[in-house]
Amino acid sequence: DVKVTQSSRYLVKRTGEKVFLECVQDMDHENMFWYRQDPGLGLRLIYFSYDVKMKEKGDIPEGYSVSREKKERFSLILESASTNQTSMYLCASWQGWENTIYFGEGSWLTVV
Amino acid sequence: KNEVEQSPQNLTAQEGEFITINCSYSVGISALHWLQQHPGGGIVSLFMLSSGKKKHGRLIATINIQEKHSSLHITASHPRDSAVYICAVELNNDMRFGAGTRLTVK
Repeated sequence: DVKVTQSSRYLVKRTGEKVFLECVQDMDHENMFWYRQDPGLGLRLIYFSYDVKMKEKGDIPEGYSVSREKKERFSLILESASTNQTSMYLCASWQGWENTIYFGEGSWLTVV
Repeated sequence: KNEVEQSPQNLTAQEGEFITINCSYSVGISALHWLQQHPGGGIVSLFMLSSGKKKHGRLIATINIQEKHSSLHITASHPRDSAVYICAVELNNDMRFGAGTRLTVK
C-alpha cells in the first residue's frame, strides 16, 4: 500500500558532492513537494511542482534544484552539497484542494 | 511571524489523560490538515477539515473558521500516541505547516 516512495533513507555525502534524492508517487497526483525538516523549524518548502516539467521555488530553494520529467517522479538535486544541508528531506504528493496529502518516509542526509 | 502557530511546542502527559493541541493561523484557508509524525520520520495524515468537527477513534479535530483556530484532542491517551503532531493549512493550492507539537505520553 506504498503511495510515496523516497529512494534513499539514509545517505552520507562529502562536501561538494552532487546529491540526488528521488521521489515516486503512484496516485497520479499533480502536485509534488520537497521539504526539509530541522529541529525547531518544522517543515520548510524547498520546491514544488504542479505538473510535469513545471517547478516553483518554495521558501528555501537556494542550493537546490529539482526535476520533474514524468508525473510520478520528482527529484531533488543538491548541486554541491554543503554541511548546512544536513537535514531530513521529505517528499509529499497531493491532489490539492481539500484532499489528503501523502508523505514519503523521509531521507536523512548527512554532509561531512 | 509564521502563518501557522501551534501550541504547546512540547507536551508530556500521563497515560489516560485528555490532551489538546492547538493551531492558529493568520490567513484565509480552504482546509486544515492534522498530521502525525512518529520517530523515524514518516508523516501520516490524520484529518482534513474545512469546517466543524471530525472524529476517528480516540482522536477528535475541530475547526473554527471565523476565529482561525483548530484543536486536536486525544482522549484516553496512550504511550503509542507519542509523536509529533503537525498542523498544516491549505492556501492557494499550497500547504503551510506549523512547527509541530511533540507529545510524550508516559
